[in-house]
Amino acid sequence: QKEVEQDPGPLSVPEGAIVSLNCTYSNSAFQYFMWYRQYSRKGPELLMYTYSSGNKEDGRFTAQVDKSSKYISLFIRDSQPSDSATYLCAMKGQGAQKLVFGQGTRLTINP
Amino acid sequence: DAGVTQSPTHLIKTRGQHVTLRCSPISGHKSVSWYQQVLGQGPQFIFQYYEKEERGRGNFPDRFSARQFPNYSSELNVNALLLGDSALYLCASSFRGWTEAFFGQGTRLTVV
Repeated sequence: QKEVEQDPGPLSVPEGAIVSLNCTYSNSAFQYFMWYRQYSRKGPELLMYTYSSGNKEDGRFTAQVDKSSKYISLFIRDSQPSDSATYLCAMKGQGAQKLVFGQGTRLTINP
Repeated sequence: DAGVTQSPTHLIKTRGQHVTLRCSPISGHKSVSWYQQVLGQGPQFIFQYYEKEERGRGNFPDRFSARQFPNYSSELNVNALLLGDSALYLCASSFRGWTEAFFGQGTRLTVV
């Protein structure tokens, strides 16, 4: 079993829709949770960085962490074609050196 | 401010050869990490360096090595290249080893 599970998709939604992206994890030591956006043939771009449980909002993006369920989510409101990319969840433990990534979900927003 | 810069952007090597990839972190960042991303997968951790010392190593063979220089830039070296080493190699920098990590554009290595 992988430490971090993420549905690879692909996920296709119409412009303006609310998008929900999710990851589950098995390591209860994870304390830091991140979402990265990766355009084709580019490096990952940090979107959201949260510590422990709770919600964090930044513009059209909302990240949620539920440590009791070992489940994290990223919501994108008013989705735009420019949001079309692969979204990677990543997490790490307190004091840990490495980020553990999910497989990534490929998202397409259709105009 | 410049972000994380990696060089070269693309590289084609033959099996058995050696390769050196370079990374310059964001100004003021003291930690550099290396990741390998195979097509269709998430990045896999290779190394982390902080203040020029190795602070973490992933599950990669000894053919992979790295170092960090006094100016905090870093090199990743891979010896005896295999076809399976073909991937996007990503460098991430952070102020300290445990803070937010920002990635460069990556070096796409193709082994033929």
